[in-house]
Amino acid sequence: DAGVIQSPRHEVTEMGQEVTLRCKPISGHDYLFWYRQTMMRGLELLIYFNNNVPIDDSGMPEDRFSAKMPNASFSTLKIQPSEPRDSAVYFCASSPRLAEAFFGQGTRLTVV
Amino acid sequence: GENVEQHPSTLSVQEGDSAVIKCTYSDSASNYFPWYKQELGKRPQLIIDIRSNVGEKKDQRIAVTLNKTAKHFSLHITETQPEDSAVYFCAATSSGSARQLTFGSGTQLTVLP
Repeated sequence: DAGVIQSPRHEVTEMGQEVTLRCKPISGHDYLFWYRQTMMRGLELLIYFNNNVPIDDSGMPEDRFSAKMPNASFSTLKIQPSEPRDSAVYFCASSPRLAEAFFGQGTRLTVV
Repeated sequence: GENVEQHPSTLSVQEGDSAVIKCTYSDSASNYFPWYKQELGKRPQLIIDIRSNVGEKKDQRIAVTLNKTAKHFSLHITETQPEDSAVYFCAATSSGSARQLTFGSGTQLTVLP
């Protein structure tokens, strides 16, 4: 198993542009999580899905952020429009249980 | 909800010495406490975990202790090596409830050769 796969690994974009981050969870995992990691705030849970259904999106910072999971093998996190303060590493994680997390390699987003 | 505090934020030790990282949690219902290691530029990875029915768990040079009364748990690394240098995160949750992991703020461990 290749583990959780995220793309792209690095993204540099200009302020105001739309950014889409992608994630393929481990097959058979019912839970998918999106985290954001910054020096100031550490690891923050943005949203998680159970069986493709969003369960808790209370961590999504603003309406500029949206996440979807159209099927069990794919999820996206979209930021529109992007701002410099969105610069961070975004991790996707999946798990067979709510109390665990298997992380992807992350996407380093830089908004200039 | 759960609140997890982690100390210290940075820790430097000499190679061969021991390192201890401490976390406290607020929700007495929490019963699962994993620790993650994140090397520079890499993903967090689970290194050890403990459930509330035990007070200590060991895996080679790594051990975790849990004090449910005081609501704190600690990671102990003995005979530290340069490859132990990383950021370590503690986390807590109640595995029987509909609650996801709550992470601590992380500890940057540096093992000096």
